Amino acid sequence: DQQVKQNSPSLSVQEGRISILNCDYTNSMFDYFLWYKKYPAEGPTFLISISSIKDKNEDGRFTVFLNKSAKHLSLHIVPSQPGDSAVYFCAAKWNTGNQFYFGTGTSLTVIP
Amino acid sequence: KAGVTQTPRYLIKTRGQQVTLSCSPISGHRSVSWYQQTPGQGLQFLFEYFSETQRNKGNFPGRFSGRQFSNSRSEMNVSTLELGDSALYLCASSLLAGGDYGYTFGSGTRLTVV
Repeated sequence: DQQVKQNSPSLSVQEGRISILNCDYTNSMFDYFLWYKKYPAEGPTFLISISSIKDKNEDGRFTVFLNKSAKHLSLHIVPSQPGDSAVYFCAAKWNTGNQFYFGTGTSLTVIP
Repeated sequence: KAGVTQTPRYLIKTRGQQVTLSCSPISGHRSVSWYQQTPGQGLQFLFEYFSETQRNKGNFPGRFSGRQFSNSRSEMNVSTLELGDSALYLCASSLLAGGDYGYTFGSGTRLTVV
């Protein structure tokens, strides 16, 4: 059973606009969340993280929002750039040392 | 510093054969985790090794096994290959167990079973 879900397989956005990627999870024990970006023929690269004690974390153009009551997190990219075109995975875990559970990914295309 | 190195990059095997994949983590990282990526399933956790000991294991059959050496390099073995084992196998290293503070992934080994 998929404990982390990314229900949008793909998303297209115009350059300069906001990209919003969504992720839902079912396990209320998850307390640490990450986003990864993956280009073709490369491994995923870490983008941004958030722990359950916060509801927002920013890093440059990237902001992750966490809504614990809704078991939902989102990644905002503002402004979107063509180089952001990639597959984005969200991942979640509970407790230190446990495994991460990954979503199925959302393929973002930023149109110049 | 060198990243995570996975070899080989591509493999084609026949059903019933076995295969061994290799992963060299970032220097100083003692945790190596393995993931299987297939379309529609995302990344599925296989197992994690930390200081030569398997710490966690995902929900995969016993045909999937691994080990870690004293230099933190890790190997993953799949025996009696099935068509459904065709996937991208990703290795991830981290300083701490469990991938806390994030993994560094290798580029993966693309396994095709025919």
